[in-house]
Amino acid sequence: NAGVMQNPRHLVRRRGQEARLRCSPMKGHSHVYWYRQLPEEGLKFMVYLQKENIIDESGMPKERFSAEFPKEGPSILRIQQVVRGDSAAYFCASSPGQGKVEETQYFGPGTRLLVL
Amino acid sequence: AQSVTQLDSHVSVSEGTPVLLRCNYSSSYSPSLFWYVQHPNKGLQLLLKYTSAATLVKGINGFEAEFKKSETSFHLTKPSAHMSDAAEYFCVVIPYNNNDMRFGAGTRLTVKP
Repeated sequence: NAGVMQNPRHLVRRRGQEARLRCSPMKGHSHVYWYRQLPEEGLKFMVYLQKENIIDESGMPKERFSAEFPKEGPSILRIQQVVRGDSAAYFCASSPGQGKVEETQYFGPGTRLLVL
Repeated sequence: AQSVTQLDSHVSVSEGTPVLLRCNYSSSYSPSLFWYVQHPNKGLQLLLKYTSAATLVKGINGFEAEFKKSETSFHLTKPSAHMSDAAEYFCVVIPYNNNDMRFGAGTRLTVKP
């Protein structure tokens, strides 16, 4: 039973390019969460999605960032026109989505984005 | 507002000695509380969680944590540190009726031989 998968594990982009980060939740999980871990800082919540639906995007920067979780395929976190400040580790987590607020979230290994 | 405070950014212990990583939270209602561990260049792994059952929670790798409502604390302990315990530890709170995990700033644990 594979865990949460993220790819790529490492991504290098030049300023102004686009970054696409993918997250495949655990089998049977319908909820996905994205977090960002900036250097020397803790993790910060970005967005919470169900299939085809954004539940909470209160942690997403207002511009350049978007997320989706289509009916088929992985969840995508998209960063347009990247800047150096976007360099961070981006973690995805998934949960079963049974409506229990204390559901455990299972984390993927993260994608480390470096913007040159 | 819900928040979580990890009182020490860095803890250093000798191998074989006890570990104490401190965490305090603020919450209007009974939250769910978690400890996660992150090894270098790895994802986060759940150590243990408290969800209003027993106040003393046992986790993996010999770790445990005690929920103390009167002190609003959820400190992580281990009787005897191992070199492989060196990592970053995050205390996390999920407020009541909310799916938003709030992370503490993390405590880096160093284990000396």
